[in-house]
Amino acid sequence: GAVVSQHPSWVICKSGTSVKIECRSLDFQATTMFWYRQFPKKSLMLMATSSEGSKATYEQGVEKDKFLINHASLTLSTLTVTSAHPEDSSFYICSASWGQMGQPQHFGDGTRLSIL
Amino acid sequence: QKEVEQNSGPLSVPEGAIASLNCTYSDRGSQSFFWYRQYSGKSPELIMFIYSNGDKEDGRFTAQLNKASQYVSLLIRDSQPSDSATYLCAVNVITGKLIFGQGTTLQVKP
Repeated sequence: GAVVSQHPSWVICKSGTSVKIECRSLDFQATTMFWYRQFPKKSLMLMATSSEGSKATYEQGVEKDKFLINHASLTLSTLTVTSAHPEDSSFYICSASWGQMGQPQHFGDGTRLSIL
Repeated sequence: QKEVEQNSGPLSVPEGAIASLNCTYSDRGSQSFFWYRQYSGKSPELIMFIYSNGDKEDGRFTAQLNKASQYVSLLIRDSQPSDSATYLCAVNVITGKLIFGQGTTLQVKP
């Protein structure tokens, strides 16, 4: 149980392109979804937290207009990297949890984004 | 002071030995504690979670929590080469966010 699907797993695109990443909870309703970014040999950096039907809460230093998050339903959240540039290249990972605060987060497989 | 601290390692143990991974945290109000395993190039995978003081066992894994000392540990018995990975300690803070440690790299040598 607790399967989170993330798509696509790998994206290579040109600078200036917008890229959308989907995160789906397949066998549970996710009350909260999280988006992380991870640089090589570093730990996870939380970018934003989203709940279904509400605006995402972004962490300090994360550009809201750059990283658009939509949590359309209890099973789907999307992250759109707008006008991507090479410095946006990274490993992006979503996670989902259900129920009360303090429940485990289950991670998707991640999306490796490379901007040329 | 970092909110969640782990020794980055690498921690090297022989196959069949017990691997002991440690983590300290700063927020005394934290109530939920997690261990994730992350293989190189992959996303984290939940191994254990613990909410109460004491030990929690699941197969070869035992999580230990001491809230008074603000200390969480993960023991891996009968370590296998397939256990070689980075182990992330994560603590749930009052806002609902997970704060991750830097991770400890475990190497199990055949």
